[in-house]
Amino acid sequence: KNEVEQSPQNLTAQEGEFITINCSYSVGISALHWLQQHPGGGIVSLFMLSSGKKKHGRLIATINIQEKHSSLHITASHPRDSAVYICAVGRGIQGAQKLVFGQGTRLTINP
Amino acid sequence: DGGITQSPKYLFRKEGQNVTLSCEQNLNHDAMYWYRQDPGQGLRLIYYSQIVNDFQKGDIAEGYSVSREKKESFPLTVTSAQKNPTAFYLCASSIWSNYGYTFGSGTRLTVV
Repeated sequence: KNEVEQSPQNLTAQEGEFITINCSYSVGISALHWLQQHPGGGIVSLFMLSSGKKKHGRLIATINIQEKHSSLHITASHPRDSAVYICAVGRGIQGAQKLVFGQGTRLTINP
Repeated sequence: DGGITQSPKYLFRKEGQNVTLSCEQNLNHDAMYWYRQDPGQGLRLIYYSQIVNDFQKGDIAEGYSVSREKKESFPLTVTSAQKNPTAFYLCASSIWSNYGYTFGSGTRLTVV
């Protein structure tokens, strides 16, 4: 079983829909990251969470440390949100912050 | 603007040849990392470095080598000992204090 599990693996929705991507992990972590990967391959860091909730524009990320679960929400989805969204957990306490990655969720938003 | 530069974006090499992927950052980050991505799989850690002249193996270090002679640079060499080198390689860096991560745009290596 992977240490980081994402669901769903693939998600197709219509423009304007509310999107939720889930991430569950089985190890102790120092932080959880949500990342976005576009078809060209480059990765952009969206959020880093160690507790609670963060919001940036139409994106919201939450984490429940006790349940070892995080969600990424997209409100008023748009075709430009189409990408692979990756959850990763940080394992380091100090120094290098090694990440363990989920397999990603491929999101497609149709106009 | 600060960031991570990986070059080249696409790289083709013949089987049996060593190849070096470049990674440079101007963020003054302490730690640097190399990850490998294969289709349908999550990224996996190859090597990481916390300070100059020091580096540690990750989960899949066999067939790879690195150096960290300067804080800004962390090149990865894919050697002929790597049995399946065709993959997408991502370099990243982070600051110790807040775990913030920055990724490069990646190098897609194809060995023929």
